[in-house]
Amino acid sequence: DTAVSQTPKYLVTQMGNDKSIKCEQNLGHDTMYWYKQDSKKFLKIMFSYNNKELIINETVPNRFSPKSPDKAHLNLHINSLELGDSAVYFCASSQAHSGGPVSYEQYFGPGTRLTVT
Amino acid sequence: AQTVTQSQPEMSVQEAETVTLSCTYDTSENNYYLFWYKQPPSRQMILVIRQEAYKQQNATENRFSVNFQKAAKSFSLKISDSQLGDTAMYFCAFMKHRSQGAQKLVFGQGTRLTINP
Repeated sequence: DTAVSQTPKYLVTQMGNDKSIKCEQNLGHDTMYWYKQDSKKFLKIMFSYNNKELIINETVPNRFSPKSPDKAHLNLHINSLELGDSAVYFCASSQAHSGGPVSYEQYFGPGTRLTVT
Repeated sequence: AQTVTQSQPEMSVQEAETVTLSCTYDTSENNYYLFWYKQPPSRQMILVIRQEAYKQQNATENRFSVNFQKAAKSFSLKISDSQLGDTAMYFCAFMKHRSQGAQKLVFGQGTRLTINP
């Protein structure tokens, strides 16, 4: 069973388009994250949500809008795509608050490779 | 702000040899976690080993062990009896400790490790 899944795994689109990446976790975790891995393989946090509440919001253009309909899902919507948005986007989850065994480990999805042409 | 530095962009060893990957970090925190993640060509981020800063004993997971030097802020990964399947990008990562709450992973630049037959 897949713990953290992302769809799609590959996304090719043109500049100016709007696209969404979906993430789902079946681990029962209460916290989810989005990371961006650039062309040089550098990974950086973008957002974190806990129980549908935005907790971490790094310096990310406001064209990026995360949405969490429930604690098992965290989607990433990107408006007006630019060439520089081309990257691999990783979703991750962890149990960060009591209500479950708190764990500092983050479990990653398989990544979504976004290519903007 | 925390920073993580991996000074070896690439390394290459023969199968069955031992290899050590370096990582240094900068933080004013006293309690934190350190991780090594492996990213094979499949792109999946796989947790290799973790270390809690309050533990003096170095973590070990089968062929993987760390040398954690808290005063020196150094956290190296040793892979013994290296195997072809160890070929991957390896990322060192730092996370602050909090009893509860979402915490971001801060990653190093990565080391590309190639195991040659």
